[in-house]
Amino acid sequence: EVQLVESGGDLVQPGGSLRLSCAASGFTFSNYGMDWVRQAPGKGLEWVAYINKGGGSIYYADSVKGRFTISRDNAKNSLFLQMNSLRVEDTAVYYCADLWDSGYWGQGTLVAVSS
Amino acid sequence: QAVLTQPSSLSASPGASASLTCTLRSDINVGTYRIYWYQQKPGSPPQYLLRYKSDSDKQQGSGVSSRFSGSKDASANAGILLISGLQSEDEADYYCLIWHSDTYVFGSGTKVTVL
Repeated sequence: EVQLVESGGDLVQPGGSLRLSCAASGFTFSNYGMDWVRQAPGKGLEWVAYINKGGGSIYYADSVKGRFTISRDNAKNSLFLQMNSLRVEDTAVYYCADLWDSGYWGQGTLVAVSS
Repeated sequence: QAVLTQPSSLSASPGASASLTCTLRSDINVGTYRIYWYQQKPGSPPQYLLRYKSDSDKQQGSGVSSRFSGSKDASANAGILLISGLQSEDEADYYCLIWHSDTYVFGSGTKVTVL
């Protein structure tokens, strides 16, 4: 069974940092590019970042460029999102997903940015 | 003008067919894009339904009912998700997605109500 399990969401103050993780199982993680997608409360979906299967090709949404860093560890079947300089508008449920090939999504982890 | 435009809501009767549109900005040609469709029910992550580029380049999500199908309307520069034989369980938000200029772009979503 394919599983993507996000973790690391928390309540953090504006300007703070957080690192999200996504543990993959049930498929050959190293064969797939991966994404982070977020959804603010009551709002639509917003793509955040993409990393290809080898980690050598990375893209970001303009809204997070320079603040967020996507990475992966294929040996540990894990995807990461380092989030720095967090803003109130970064408050959302963050999902890891493969948007291009398989359509796999995790259940999400909540990041709340508030003072 | 937004890259992708979806109507905010659509209502239809059980057993009817519903055609959801995803209109691309006029300067980008629908013919060159894979269009992905997702269904999201309250409190759940999005579920991948299908992707469609052409009749020879399409994919149905694993376990997704054949009542969901994709197509394009070149004259309207739009992708289309057709839901046949509407059921109450089809009540949800539906999002389209494309890869454009090194980013993923989601439509704003269509809320489908089955009356």
